[in-house]
Amino acid sequence: DTEVTQTPKHLVMGMTNKKSLKCEQHMGHRAMYWYKQKAKKPPELMFVYSYEKLSINESVPSRFSPECPNSSLLNLHLHALQPEDSALYLCASSRTSGEADTQYFGPGTRLTVL
Amino acid sequence: GQNIDQPTEMTATEGAIVQINCTYQTSGFNGLFWYQQHAGEAPTFLSYNVLDGLEEKGRFSSFLSRSKGYSYLLLKELQMKDSASYLCAVSGTNAGKSTFGDGTTLTVKP
Repeated sequence: DTEVTQTPKHLVMGMTNKKSLKCEQHMGHRAMYWYKQKAKKPPELMFVYSYEKLSINESVPSRFSPECPNSSLLNLHLHALQPEDSALYLCASSRTSGEADTQYFGPGTRLTVL
Repeated sequence: GQNIDQPTEMTATEGAIVQINCTYQTSGFNGLFWYQQHAGEAPTFLSYNVLDGLEEKGRFSSFLSRSKGYSYLLLKELQMKDSASYLCAVSGTNAGKSTFGDGTTLTVKP
């Protein structure tokens, strides 16, 4: 099973709302990632968790708050977002955060901020 | 820093062969990935090269030359479903961080 699941598939929120994106994998992977992807652009790395600890934060604004409750779950908490934050948010996982480890992507959450 | 270049768009005919090139200049190198991404969907893994040479996997092959900072993805016997964006990604020395190229949008025509 090489499946990474994400919920919700679509999310529309106002700038004052608080919402969360969820990601789950059951492949026993110990590294999980959040990416942001705008139309016709490549994925941009936001956060990396390795063994449930935050290992990379790519200078992401604090209105995005990641959380890794356990090795299978990854959340992204959203608060006071801006319209320019509208994008496809992709979760990925890999066996470890090693350089040669393939990342498996979830289907993404398409976020629209009004 | 990392700099990865791919052609923006390519068009090819069903049944033909197409080669998508990727050149990179990176501060460290620990392998190169190719991903396929259909519109509105997540990227899916195609190949990984860390040593020089050609890796063949069915209709898809990927080549790497580390000394030239160059890779290509070769797609044979093109099918309409191969119309997608193809992303080249380089794994550097920062564990967990792959840098993606802007992607090549391939259109396969009948």
